[in-house]
Amino acid sequence: QKEVEQNSGPLSVPEGAIASLNCTYSDRVSQSFFWYRQYSGKSPELIMSIYSNGDKEDGRFTAQLNKASQYVSLLIRDSQPSDSATYLCAVKGNQFYFGTGTSLTVIP
Amino acid sequence: GAVVSQHPSRVICKSGTSVKIECRSLDFQATTMFWYRQFPKQSLMLMATSNEGSKATYEQGVEKDKFLINHASLTLSTLTVTSAHPEDSSFYICSARDSDGRGPIQYFGAGTRLSVL
Repeated sequence: QKEVEQNSGPLSVPEGAIASLNCTYSDRVSQSFFWYRQYSGKSPELIMSIYSNGDKEDGRFTAQLNKASQYVSLLIRDSQPSDSATYLCAVKGNQFYFGTGTSLTVIP
Repeated sequence: GAVVSQHPSRVICKSGTSVKIECRSLDFQATTMFWYRQFPKQSLMLMATSNEGSKATYEQGVEKDKFLINHASLTLSTLTVTSAHPEDSSFYICSARDSDGRGPIQYFGAGTRLSVL
């Protein structure tokens, strides 16, 4: 079992819709959770971090964490074509583990 | 599934020494590997792109003579931090791109935490 699992996609949503990205992890001692966005040919950039159960909102992005179920999700409201990218989930416990990323395409 | 192995996971060294970090793709061939660096509370920063059998491509501001990259085979890339100094202390992460046609998926190593005393 992989430490962090994401559906590779691709996920396609129409412009203005909500994009939902999900991630599960296996290490129960994980304490920090991150979502990175990576445009093609660029470094991943951190867009959200979450450390406690519940929701954390930042603009159009909402991260949701459920430690009991060991999943973390990212919701993107009012999706824009510029949101089209690969979204990486990362989990940090004793080590830093990345998912393989979910490719999101927002269709104009 | 595809796995990228990165070793060592943690290095503590004295200033002036060289440190080698290995990145291996365990069940796929990776013509392209990437090396990233992450300082505390910052995003991953791409340092260089490593292509098997050719010279690495370094990002602007990354000293190629200090961060030596060797990608001698389709499953192994190494990063050597030469004459390490305390400011080189960081978290170094490699990733490998799967080249078997399943798509441009990058698999990341678990990272190496370098502490230079």
